[in-house]
Amino acid sequence: EAQVTQNPRYLITVTGKKLTVTCSQNMNHEYMSWYRQDPGLGLRQIYYSMNVEVTDKGDVPEGYKVSRKEKRNFPLILESPSPNQTSLYFCASRAWGQGSPLNTEAFFGQGTRLTVV
Amino acid sequence: TQLLEQSPQFLSIQEGENLTVYCNSSSVFSSLQWYRQEPGEGPVLLVTVVTGGEVKKLKRLTFQFGDARKDSSLHITAAQPGDTGLYLCAGVPGSNYKLTFGKGTLLTVNP
Repeated sequence: EAQVTQNPRYLITVTGKKLTVTCSQNMNHEYMSWYRQDPGLGLRQIYYSMNVEVTDKGDVPEGYKVSRKEKRNFPLILESPSPNQTSLYFCASRAWGQGSPLNTEAFFGQGTRLTVV
Repeated sequence: TQLLEQSPQFLSIQEGENLTVYCNSSSVFSSLQWYRQEPGEGPVLLVTVVTGGEVKKLKRLTFQFGDARKDSSLHITAAQPGDTGLYLCAGVPGSNYKLTFGKGTLLTVNP
C-alpha cells in the first residue's frame, strides 16, 4: 500500500528542547516536502527535497532543518523549538523527474500535532 | 499575497443541498488539483484538471478548469454528511514543481 508515515502523531515539548519528526515513504518518490498547517493560514511549505542530498527552503523555513540521506526518509528537525512553532505538520511526497509531469499527485502523511510550551 | 484564493472560507449547509466552491488566481497554471482533508488526516487528491475549459466528474462532484487556466470550481450536487471536510485547491506555478495550496473551504453538511 502506498504510504507516507510520520512519527510521532502527537508531541508536546518544552521550549528549546531539540526534536525530530520522522517521515518515510514507500513509493520511491524523488520529491518530498514538509508543510505546516495553521488556522487561517492554510498549508505552507517549510522545506522540500528533489532527491537525495538535494534540499531547499520553502516559504517558512526559519527555525527548521531537514536532511535527505536516503530516498525514502525526510526528517524534520527543530533544533530549538519555540511556542510559535506549535502547529500541525505534514510530510508529503510526489513523483518528480524526467518523464514525470508537473501535476503529479501529492501523498500526505497523517500529520504530527506539535505543541511547544 | 495568496497565489490561490479560495471562497467561501466556510460553508455550512443541509444534506441534499447543492454548493459551489471557487479557486481563483491572477496567475496561469498548467494544471490545478483539488484535495479533500478530513479531520485528523492528511489531504487526499480528488482530481487534477489540466486543459482550459475541462470538466471532470467524480460521482456527485463536478470540477471545472477555467478557459484561461487561472481559476477552478468544485460543484457538489445533493451534498451528504460524508462530504464534510476541508477542500483545498493546489497548483504548480511555473516549472519548479513546488505545489502551492489555497487556504481551503471548510464544508459542513448537516444531516
